[in-house]
Amino acid sequence: EDKVVQSPLSLVVHEGDTVTLNCSYEVTNFRSLLWYKQEKKAPTFLFMLTSSGIEKKSGRLSSILDKKELFSILNITATQTGDSAVYLCAVEIYNQGGKLIFGQGTELSVKP
Amino acid sequence: DTAVSQTPKYLVTQMGNDKSIKCEQNLGHDTMYWYKQDSKKFLKIMFSYNNKELIINETVPNRFSPKSPDKAHLNLHINSLELGDSAVYFCASSLAPVRVGQGYGYTFGSGTRLTVV
Repeated sequence: EDKVVQSPLSLVVHEGDTVTLNCSYEVTNFRSLLWYKQEKKAPTFLFMLTSSGIEKKSGRLSSILDKKELFSILNITATQTGDSAVYLCAVEIYNQGGKLIFGQGTELSVKP
Repeated sequence: DTAVSQTPKYLVTQMGNDKSIKCEQNLGHDTMYWYKQDSKKFLKIMFSYNNKELIINETVPNRFSPKSPDKAHLNLHINSLELGDSAVYFCASSLAPVRVGQGYGYTFGSGTRLTVV
């Protein structure tokens, strides 16, 4: 069965800290891996990764994929209270019409 | 300009009732989805439609029936609601397969919080 596992499930840090969120996957037909941030409502798109070893960066957030070891990490540097959210990792499966398999999320809380 | 809009945002109803949730997207995407998010924040796909055709139908009770009148709309009707149906239901849309060049990849609506009492 296809599955995506995130760790840790929750994390509490202080402003200015750097955090690393992990996502590992076991799927039959990997196409891409996506990261989302979910605050109160809809998940909002952060990154989409398809190739190993190429870092994607957006401000203080960055992410990289390792297709050999079947995992991805999401890094957030100099965290701010506004980074507090649930971070979701999802894998898209080939030829499944865009279906995403989600991990259970990492709840990040950034304290002032 | 809302990209994926769902109505209603909140729905409180009694067991045994029938209810519908509507979803519309204005992104020109060809595929739409329904996801269910349980109390532990776990998002699981229920259905997807590509150009009005049912593509994915996960193991979902027959009481749930999606309908797509056109590729910009996907509604979800639920019959005989049960307590276990309480969750947040998210509509989403994308091009399928999801394409990097589009930037967003996959866009979610703001969710419908369904509470069955």
